Amino acid sequence: RKEVEQDPGPFNVPEGATVAFNCTYSNSASQSFFWYRQDCRKEPKLLMSVYSSGNEDGRFTAQLNRASQYISLLIRDSKLSDSATYLCGPMEYGNKLVFGAGTILRVKS
Amino acid sequence: DAGVIQSPRHEVTEMGQEVTLRCKPISGHDYLFWYRQTMMRGLELLIYFNNNVPIDDSGMPEDRFSAKMPNASFSTLKIQPSEPRDSAVYFCASSLGMNTEAFFGQGTRLTVV
Repeated sequence: RKEVEQDPGPFNVPEGATVAFNCTYSNSASQSFFWYRQDCRKEPKLLMSVYSSGNEDGRFTAQLNRASQYISLLIRDSKLSDSATYLCGPMEYGNKLVFGAGTILRVKS
Repeated sequence: DAGVIQSPRHEVTEMGQEVTLRCKPISGHDYLFWYRQTMMRGLELLIYFNNNVPIDDSGMPEDRFSAKMPNASFSTLKIQPSEPRDSAVYFCASSLGMNTEAFFGQGTRLTVV
């Protein structure tokens, strides 16, 4: 089983839609969780950190379910500029930051 | 701060040649990570350091790969000899401390022909 699993997508949604991605992780000792956004041919950039049950920042909401070992990212009112790959990154014991392969989002007008 | 700085940005080399990738982390950051990204395998952690000491190198593919961090402001990832399957984007990232976000460099796009 992979350490981190994400649905690769692509998720094709119209502008204004609400879309959610899930990410499952295998290491139950993971302490912190991060969602990164990666644009084509660019480096990943932090979107959101999650240290407890969840976090919200504007149109973006992350929720953590430790019992089931998954974390989700919800994007409301999608914009064209949200089109990117979203990477889930649990931080394992010892500050080991690993990532899933990413979920591709395409927002269309 | 200029962020994490990687060099070169692009590297094209012939199979069998030695390749050295360089990284300068953000000043004051205690952790440094090396990743490799391909379409097939996604973003893989190769090795990471804490205070210049390698903590986990279980992601290093094989003995052809080696990484060093001689001081707090510099790290290298070396591939010797290089093979076409090593072609990928290699990212370096650094973080301030435990359970804090990592900041990525712009990456080195390596092509081995």
